[in-house]
Amino acid sequence: QKEVEQDPGPLSVPEGAIVSLNCTYSNSAFQYFMWYRQYSRKGPELLMYTYSSGNKEDGRFTAQVDKSSKYISLFIRDSQPSDSATYLCAMGSGNTPLVFGKGTRLSVIA
Amino acid sequence: GAVVSQHPSRVICKSGTSVKIECRSLDFQATTMFWYRQFPKQSLMLMATSNEGSKATYEQGVEKDKFLINHASLTLSTLTVTSAHPEDSSFYICSARSASQGNIQYFGAGTRLSVL
Repeated sequence: QKEVEQDPGPLSVPEGAIVSLNCTYSNSAFQYFMWYRQYSRKGPELLMYTYSSGNKEDGRFTAQVDKSSKYISLFIRDSQPSDSATYLCAMGSGNTPLVFGKGTRLSVIA
Repeated sequence: GAVVSQHPSRVICKSGTSVKIECRSLDFQATTMFWYRQFPKQSLMLMATSNEGSKATYEQGVEKDKFLINHASLTLSTLTVTSAHPEDSSFYICSARSASQGNIQYFGAGTRLSVL
């Protein structure tokens, strides 16, 4: 079993839809969790980070962590065509490098 | 958020030549920098981790003599692809982290290397 599992998609939704992106993980030692957005041929851009179970909201984005289930989610409300990108979950512990999911390709259709 | 600058964004070179890629943290001191490689529609593949003033730690399967990493200061790391060949063509991305930024890794914009 891979440390981090993420459905690669592609996921296609109409503009205005609520998008749900998810990752599961196997390593219970992970302490912090992040979501990055990567546009084509660009570096990943940090969207959200959290260190605990629960929800964290920032504008149209909500990150959710359930450590008991080893499951994290990113919700995008009122999705826009500009949200079309690849979304990478990442997690880590201590000073080790982040472990990334494979990324989910999202297309928001106008 | 913190800014990481990577240069050049695009490089085309002939087979056998060496290419140097620079990664700078502009507004924070990066105690640790990471170098990744990414193939089309694939996730990030960690190549090596470097701490300022120390030798880089390479991931299994990454040739350290092929991919030379230098992290001489708290704001600059370089990756040199030596004697590049067409199979080295890829998207290379650096990332930086510091204690002041928690454990967040910030990424550069990436360098697209094409070896002819």
